[in-house]
Amino acid sequence: DTAVSQTPKYLVTQMGNDKSIKCEQNLGHDTMYWYKQDSKKFLKIMFSYNNKELIINETVPNRFSPKSPDKAHLNLHINSLELGDSAVYFCASSQVRGVAKNIQYFGAGTRLSVL
Amino acid sequence: SQQGEEDPQALSIQEGENATMNCSYKTSINNLQWYRQNSGRGLVHLILIRSNEREKHSGRLRVTLDTSKKSSSLLITASRAADTASYFCATPKPHQAGTALIFGKGTTLSVSS
Repeated sequence: DTAVSQTPKYLVTQMGNDKSIKCEQNLGHDTMYWYKQDSKKFLKIMFSYNNKELIINETVPNRFSPKSPDKAHLNLHINSLELGDSAVYFCASSQVRGVAKNIQYFGAGTRLSVL
Repeated sequence: SQQGEEDPQALSIQEGENATMNCSYKTSINNLQWYRQNSGRGLVHLILIRSNEREKHSGRLRVTLDTSKKSSSLLITASRAADTASYFCATPKPHQAGTALIFGKGTTLSVSS
């Protein structure tokens, strides 16, 4: 069983389109994240949700809208895609408390290419 | 400002050699982690060292932390071709309710047989 799974793995689309990426974790974690990794492998936090509530929004354009229907799912919807949105998007999850609370478990990533 | 700057950016070694990667950060931390990313895959947690620890071992990995210099190092001993990957240090994002991580730019390690 994959602990953190993202779909799709690859996404190729035209500028101006709207697309969604889905993420699910079966680890029972309360906190989920979206990170963006650019072409130089630089990883940056975008959003963090704790038990369905948004707790971190890192000045991401409002074209990006995360949605957490329950604590096991965190989806990312992107409106009006731009060329600069091309990147690999990673979902991650972690515990809220305890010894392992800082350790994050990552999905395999979604490679988004905007043409 | 950016936390966790690794050096070198790239490292090429032969199997059996040791690989050392360094990481510097800018603000106070209570822990620092190292992650590995194989090509085309997600990040995998390797080891976490707390601010009151100076050294930690896990198998062939040895991590050190010097809070006075705000730096950490990751040593991989007796490297194998399977160690070829990018390695990132990460620190908790300061002053935030969540536990998001700030990652460095990573060191790309190539181990040839």
